[in-house]
Amino acid sequence: EVNLLESGGDLVQPGGSLRLSCAASGFPFNTFAMNWVRQAPGKGLEWVALMSGGGGTTFYADSVRGRFTISRDNSKNTLYLQMKSLRVEDTAIYYCARVGLGFLLNWFDSWGQGTLVTVSS
Amino acid sequence: AIQLTQSPSSLSASVGDRVTITCRASQDISRALAWIQQKPGKSPKLLVHDASSLQSGVPSRFSGSGSGTDFSLTISSLQPEDFATYFCQQFNTYPITFGQGTRLEIK
Repeated sequence: EVNLLESGGDLVQPGGSLRLSCAASGFPFNTFAMNWVRQAPGKGLEWVALMSGGGGTTFYADSVRGRFTISRDNSKNTLYLQMKSLRVEDTAIYYCARVGLGFLLNWFDSWGQGTLVTVSS
Repeated sequence: AIQLTQSPSSLSASVGDRVTITCRASQDISRALAWIQQKPGKSPKLLVHDASSLQSGVPSRFSGSGSGTDFSLTISSLQPEDFATYFCQQFNTYPITFGQGTRLEIK
């Protein structure tokens, strides 16, 4: 069974930094591209970033490019999101999601339970 | 970026009703569309991929159709557990984008 477990969410001041983690199990982690998707309180879903299974390819949403960095440690089956220069508008639940069938561009077939990031002074 | 517009934004219906939600893309995305269900306080769940392929384990009362720019999700006979918010998602090109959501409420 695929399991994705996010952690690291916290209350942080504007301009601060935070690193999120997503621990994966139940599948060959290094063969699947992974994403971060966020959801502001009461709002819709916003794709944030993707990393390929091997880590050689990344894509970012314009809203986070240059401030957020996606990475992974395949030896630990863990996906990360390093967030810097945080803004109030980054407040959201952050989900990690697996890309289906191991492709780089495909539907998201599994989602974690999410971790809450609150940016506020 | 490709924009996805869902309609309606909210919908009230009764158990047993047939409901349809539509999603229109701002450009041709072929069949690269998924439908996602999210219940309050829960994480999103994939229902349909490739416009009309039902994800494993999803009840057959859910069905998807469409291609190009116009898509729909139909629930043939609403069950109590179907009251949730539904999102469409395109995976034709990055950035991945989602519709704004359709909230399905009990009448």
